[in-house]
Amino acid sequence: DAGVTQSPTHLIKTRGQQVTLRCSPKSGHDTVSWYQQALGQGPQFIFQYYEEEERQRGNFPDRFSGHQFPNYSSELNVNALLLGDSALYLCASSLSGGFTNEKLFFGSGTQLSVL
Amino acid sequence: AQTVTQSQPEMSVQEAETVTLSCTYDTSENNYYLFWYKQPPSRQMILVIRQEAYKQQNATENRFSVNFQKAAKSFSLKISDSQLGDTAMYFCAFMKRDSGNTPLVFGKGTRLSVIA
Repeated sequence: DAGVTQSPTHLIKTRGQQVTLRCSPKSGHDTVSWYQQALGQGPQFIFQYYEEEERQRGNFPDRFSGHQFPNYSSELNVNALLLGDSALYLCASSLSGGFTNEKLFFGSGTQLSVL
Repeated sequence: AQTVTQSQPEMSVQEAETVTLSCTYDTSENNYYLFWYKQPPSRQMILVIRQEAYKQQNATENRFSVNFQKAAKSFSLKISDSQLGDTAMYFCAFMKRDSGNTPLVFGKGTRLSVIA
């Protein structure tokens, strides 16, 4: 059973460009959350998708947007990249219903470098 | 808003010894979960141990145990018989207990080095 998979593993972009990161959740999971982990920091919640809709959002600007597909996979898009967007982007999946979000499974992340 | 504080940026321990990582948090919630996650160089966040705030008994998972002090809002992780594979970043995290999926709030982490 594959866990949470993310692609690409590494990415280099320049300021002002746009980037798309991808995540496939663990088999059987229907909810995907995205976190940003800057160097030397803990992960920060960006947003969460369930039933193809954004359900919750952290304190991130509108340049950060996402999408969830019918097969539950998800994309994170960042427009007008800034140097400060350089970070590890982690995807986590879970199964909705009840108090199940404590059983989060994380991917290995995409390391984004903005030059 | 909840905050999680890890006051030890780095720690080291000799192999086979015991080490304790500290975590404090601030919340007005009464029902919540607390977690310790391990992040090795592979970057994947791995759940080490989980504690439900409504349970008084401290959680244990093999060599890992916690000291949960709800009134003091303290949640430390004890690693016994430390192994080289325990070398990693360790993050303390808080989650409000609610129906539906609530986000994790992480501390800044503690880098643990296990020395042979």
